[in-house]
Amino acid sequence: EAGVAQSPRYKIIEKRQSVAFWCNPISGHATLYWYQQILGQGPKLLIQFQNNGVVDDSQLPKDRFSAERLKGVDSTLKIQPAKLEDSAVYLCASRSGPNTGELFFGEGSRLTVL
Amino acid sequence: GNSVTQMEGPVTLSEEAFLTINCTYTATGYPSLFWYVQYPGEGLQLLLKATKADDKGSNKGFEATYRKETTSFHLEKGSVQVSDSAVYFCALVHGSSNTGKLIFGQGTTLQVKP
Repeated sequence: EAGVAQSPRYKIIEKRQSVAFWCNPISGHATLYWYQQILGQGPKLLIQFQNNGVVDDSQLPKDRFSAERLKGVDSTLKIQPAKLEDSAVYLCASRSGPNTGELFFGEGSRLTVL
Repeated sequence: GNSVTQMEGPVTLSEEAFLTINCTYTATGYPSLFWYVQYPGEGLQLLLKATKADDKGSNKGFEATYRKETTSFHLEKGSVQVSDSAVYFCALVHGSSNTGKLIFGQGTTLQVKP
């Protein structure tokens, strides 16, 4: 079974530029998450989707971050314009069925903002 | 609010040493508790979990017991190996079956030397 796929693995941009990250969850997983992991900290939830609907985006900085999952499968997270403090690893995770707390994570996309 | 606190790292041990990584939590009611592990170059993966007080989660020689009286979920292993070198995250889920967020501690880096 293929795992959660993310791309790109690494991205370096200047501040005020834009960037987009892509995630393809495990086939059949209805719930998809984007987490932000700043160096030295634990992952922090940005947004949770159930199929193509948003369940929780309370911690998403909506003035610069956006995310979509139009067909309920893959998802894109966009940052525009980027700030220095957005430098982090962006993790995508998915799960199926009830929330037992077991999420399946991708390897992450590391963003450096200069 | 709900939160998880882990001991500061890095933790450096010799092979076959005993490991303890402390984790305490703050939450109302009865959260489920988890340990996730992130090996170098890989995504986070679930190591073990416990869903109610006095439960013991175990996997790959690691154990953790849900202690409600001390709000703790310390990770232990009797004899570590070099291959256990990784970042370990304590986490909790609290809330309804679909919307409960997985909240992580800051992570503890373990380095095992031969």
